Amino acid sequence: GQQVMQIPQYQHVQEGEDFTTYCNSSTTLSNIQWYKQRPGGHPVFLIQLVKSGEVKKQKRLTFQFGEAKKNSSLHITATQTTDVGTYFCAGFRYSNYQLIWGAGTKLIIKP
Amino acid sequence: DAGVIQSPRHEVTEMGQEVTLRCKPISGHDYLFWYRQTMMRGLELLIYFNNNVPIDDSGMPEDRFSAKMPNASFSTLKIQPSEPRDSAVYFCASSTPTGEYSYEQYFGPGTRLTVT
Repeated sequence: GQQVMQIPQYQHVQEGEDFTTYCNSSTTLSNIQWYKQRPGGHPVFLIQLVKSGEVKKQKRLTFQFGEAKKNSSLHITATQTTDVGTYFCAGFRYSNYQLIWGAGTKLIIKP
Repeated sequence: DAGVIQSPRHEVTEMGQEVTLRCKPISGHDYLFWYRQTMMRGLELLIYFNNNVPIDDSGMPEDRFSAKMPNASFSTLKIQPSEPRDSAVYFCASSTPTGEYSYEQYFGPGTRLTVT
C-alpha cells in the first residue's frame, strides 16, 4: 500500500543550529502537507506544496517538493526553542481524499 | 470560529466499559476524520466521513469500534468493550476544499483515553 517514510525519527540540535527532516513516498503524490505538533498538543497545518519542484518559505522554515512529486523536505534555519515539537509530512491523493502520514521527526533542543 | 471541539479531553475507564468520544467539526467543513495516536503506531486514520456518510473505515481496528455522524455538526467514536490496548490520544479533524489544491485538515485538541 501507499507509504510515506520520514527520517530521522529524532533530531537533537543546539539552539541556533539547523534542522532538516525528509519524506519519501512510494507513489506520486497530488500534494504534500506539513504539520507541526507541539508536546501535548495536536497537529497544526503549516503548509501545502502542490507543484513539482516547488519551494516555499515561512520565515526560517523552507519547504521543498521534489521534481517527481515523491519526496519533500523541511529545513529550519537557526532553530529556536519555539521550534520544539514533532514535524509531520503527509502525502495527499485526490483519488481517495486521504492523507498518508509520515511517522514524524521530533525536534529536540539541547540545553 | 471555535475550531474543532472534542470532548471529553481526558477519559479514564476500566477494561470492559463503553467509551464514547465526541467531536464537533468546524462549521461548513464537509469532511470529518477520526485518528488515533500512540507512541508505537504513530498517527493512524480510523475512519472518515464526507457529508455525514462514512467513506472509508478500513482503519477501524475491530468490531469493538464504531463511529457515527448523525448530522453535519456532530460525530461520535464508540469503543465497546474497551481494552487497555485502546489507550491512546484520539483526534478528530475536519476539512473542506478551499481552493483547487487546498485540503488541509484542522485538528481538535484530542481526547486522551486511558483504559485500566
